[in-house]
Amino acid sequence: AQKITQTQPGMFVQEKEAVTLDCTYDTSDPSYGLFWYKQPSSGEMIFLIYQGSYDQQNATEGRYSLNFQKARKSANLVISASQLGDSAMYFCAMREPQGAQKLVFGQGTRLTINP
Amino acid sequence: SQTIHQWPATLVQPVGSPLSLECTVEGTSNPNLYWYRQAAGRGLQLLFYSVGIGQISSEVPQNLSASRPQDRQFILSSKKLLLSDSGFYLCAWSVPRLPVTEAFFGQGTRLTVV
Repeated sequence: AQKITQTQPGMFVQEKEAVTLDCTYDTSDPSYGLFWYKQPSSGEMIFLIYQGSYDQQNATEGRYSLNFQKARKSANLVISASQLGDSAMYFCAMREPQGAQKLVFGQGTRLTINP
Repeated sequence: SQTIHQWPATLVQPVGSPLSLECTVEGTSNPNLYWYRQAAGRGLQLLFYSVGIGQISSEVPQNLSASRPQDRQFILSSKKLLLSDSGFYLCAWSVPRLPVTEAFFGQGTRLTVV
């Protein structure tokens, strides 16, 4: 079974600094997708970035990048030049390729950006 | 473009009352559909998923049920709510294809059982 682990319940960062949110995963499937979502206080789930297990390069989307280390089974999210609006819950998730392609989530990290 | 609608946004229901949360998707056909529940400050727990009309799979035993009467409609129900059913409920959809792509979420329903 797939499992996602986020070991940082909370992170506090100064505005404009870079921040790394940790995520490790466990799966026996050679094909999978890794995702990061942002959940502001409103509750909506905002898709940020995706990494496929066979992708050779780390994914990047604007200020977001994914540090994918396949051998270590880690998929850390890096946010560069953090902004006050980045304060939110961040969830790492994995999708399996078979069947319903369920999305399995970690417990999340609450990121607070201080001015 | 594809959109997902979920309602109501908030709901306060007494213990023992029935529940019906509805989710509809527009702009796509034969999506995979999911219901998640999130306890306060916690991660998302998958409750039900569906790969087609009338096809429902349950992830955890509970007081809830789900139905998919139409291709793009997913309903979460309960005959008698419990206090423990309180939480934030999210509907999501995805395109069933490979490689896998992201899932898209509705705005969520905040349910308080009193």
